[in-house]
Amino acid sequence: KQEVTQIPAALSVPEGENLVLNCSFTDSAIYNLQWFRQDPGKGLTSLLLIQSSQREQTSGRLNASLDKSSGRSTLYIAASQPGDSATYLCAVRGSTLGRLYFGRGTQLTVWP
Amino acid sequence: DTGVSQNPRHKITKRGQNVTFRCDPISEHNRLYWYRQTLGQGPEFLTYFQNEAQLEKSRLLSDRFSAERPKGSFSTLEIQRTEQGDSAMYLCASSLAQAGDGYTFGSGTRLTVV
Repeated sequence: KQEVTQIPAALSVPEGENLVLNCSFTDSAIYNLQWFRQDPGKGLTSLLLIQSSQREQTSGRLNASLDKSSGRSTLYIAASQPGDSATYLCAVRGSTLGRLYFGRGTQLTVWP
Repeated sequence: DTGVSQNPRHKITKRGQNVTFRCDPISEHNRLYWYRQTLGQGPEFLTYFQNEAQLEKSRLLSDRFSAERPKGSFSTLEIQRTEQGDSAMYLCASSLAQAGDGYTFGSGTRLTVV
């Protein structure tokens, strides 16, 4: 069974710092990996989608990398802002049926 | 298209009552998924439809849970004889059929069983 782990569980940083959030998964046979953001009490907002054949994706201040063979992904957030405060979830899609396997998330707080 | 819509946003019910949630996916998406998320955890898979066919159910989906997608459009998730342990956020997501497509999630339905 696919297991997804996210480190750290929580992170508190001052505004302006560059951040690295880590995600690891046990089964490298994935179709894609998706990073989501979740604000308290809300649903999930998709940030980046990386196909298994890709190494990275970028959107604005966000960059996600994927090393499928080692079962790792990294989400890099540049010049963090208080508005980035949220929980960041990593999810892998392991088959054509499409079930996503999620980590527990990294709770990020960026203070002014 | 305004994305994936879930109703109601919040539901408070007494233990033992039945509840039903609705999900309207993005119109061109033929796959629809239900997940459950408890506090401090990542979402856990419950069930999945392709068009109107329910193709997979998790062992988390006990006999008290039933999901339908009668015309391959909206879906309902019903919980019978609710228990306090059913309190959670119920999330719906949709996607296209291609394996490489990403998910779009709704805002969720927060269920509290008292």
